[in-house]
Amino acid sequence: AQSVTQPDIHITVSEGASLELRCNYSYGATPYLFWYVQSPGQGLQLLLKYFSGDTLVQGIKGFEAEFKRSQSSFNLRKPSVHWSDAAEYFCAVAPPLIYTDKLIFGTGTRLQVFP
Amino acid sequence: DAEITQSPRHKITETGRQVTLACHQTWNHNNMFWYRQDLGHGLRLIHYSYGVQDTNKGEVSDGYSVSRSNTEDLPLTLESAASSQTSVYFCASSTDLGKTSTDTQYFGPGTRLTVL
Repeated sequence: AQSVTQPDIHITVSEGASLELRCNYSYGATPYLFWYVQSPGQGLQLLLKYFSGDTLVQGIKGFEAEFKRSQSSFNLRKPSVHWSDAAEYFCAVAPPLIYTDKLIFGTGTRLQVFP
Repeated sequence: DAEITQSPRHKITETGRQVTLACHQTWNHNNMFWYRQDLGHGLRLIHYSYGVQDTNKGEVSDGYSVSRSNTEDLPLTLESAASSQTSVYFCASSTDLGKTSTDTQYFGPGTRLTVL
């Protein structure tokens, strides 16, 4: 079955430290890949997305993600975390078919940032 | 600016009552979606629509219904609310596809529903 796994439920980092959030997917073909961020009490905001081409994708707020086909992974990274990055992060995939736009979400990773 | 809004933002209701959650978007998107968000489950798709008069069941559609009479609105109805439907509900919309790549979904701020 198609699935998205975010192995880390909760991550705590110090402000200024680097960050990597993990995302693995299970699909028959390479899906379209997304990272969303949800601040407390808010909806989801798109950070970045991968469709094809360059496997290193740049997003908003200084985030980037790297697609690794051999590992079925799409990990999110940031070199230096700011306190305002504290939020919940969701990885999502969409099947690579036309006329479809259904996203499948991982269970999320909650990021806590200490000063 | 285009946006997607949900109302109410918070709702408390009793078991067995019918509840309707509103979703309105001004993006002129053809595709609209309803998700519920629960701890440990992430977001799960309830219903979705690819255009006026089109509705489809998602992963967790039991006990929910939607109707699409115009492009802007996709109301979600809980026919007979149950405590298991206590959750945060998100509406989303996206552009029409028909291509080999996809855009992304834009999310509303959510509705927190409590069923007592």
